[in-house]
Amino acid sequence: QMVQSGAEVKKPGASVKVSCKASGYTFTTYGISWVRQAPGQGLEWMGWISAYSGDTNYEPQLQGRVTMTRDTSTSTAYMELRSLRSDDTAVYYCVRELPLTGYPFGYWGQGTLVTVSS
Amino acid sequence: DIQMTQSPSSLSASVGDRVTITCRASQSISNYLNWYQQKPGKAPKLLIYAASSLQSGVPSRFSGSGSGTDFTLTISSLQPEDFATYYCQQSYTTPRTFGPGTKVHIK
Repeated sequence: QMVQSGAEVKKPGASVKVSCKASGYTFTTYGISWVRQAPGQGLEWMGWISAYSGDTNYEPQLQGRVTMTRDTSTSTAYMELRSLRSDDTAVYYCVRELPLTGYPFGYWGQGTLVTVSS
Repeated sequence: DIQMTQSPSSLSASVGDRVTITCRASQSISNYLNWYQQKPGKAPKLLIYAASSLQSGVPSRFSGSGSGTDFTLTISSLQPEDFATYYCQQSYTTPRTFGPGTKVHIK
């Protein structure tokens, strides 16, 4: 199970940090991706973090504004997005990969709505 | 980046219809193709991985096929609970791009 933090309202230029607490498995076994979905739009992969090593891989267009981290002591992953713009308004999902071909996204958090508005 | 396209962008169908959705990758992705179903206000759900493998617990009316650049999701007999938006996603390389989605409406 992946349980995310609650909705956020931020002003343009601010930062947001969303948490994702994992349970029901050994946290360091699987990587976690973050996916966002703007209102009425499709899904956008933001990046991935290895829960084991902390290695990251970000969507190039977000590089420099996004940081993904994890705390193995609390089995929690974090996604911080800086310099927020109105087009960052979206539901943000954390997703755990499955140990299958291609590591598909098997377990999704409930989503966190981030609204960026002045 | 690998671009994913889907067709159609939306379709109307009746309960019991056979429905086919197509996904195309901008370059070969072997069989690293996943399909997800999303209902309004809910997180996506994995249906098919590795192009044709049915995720545990998913009804057998869902099937996937294809390799290389062209893939298909088929629903053999559409059920009321299948009205949703369907996304393909490549997991061949990062960024792990999604298709734009296909919305299945009730006719």
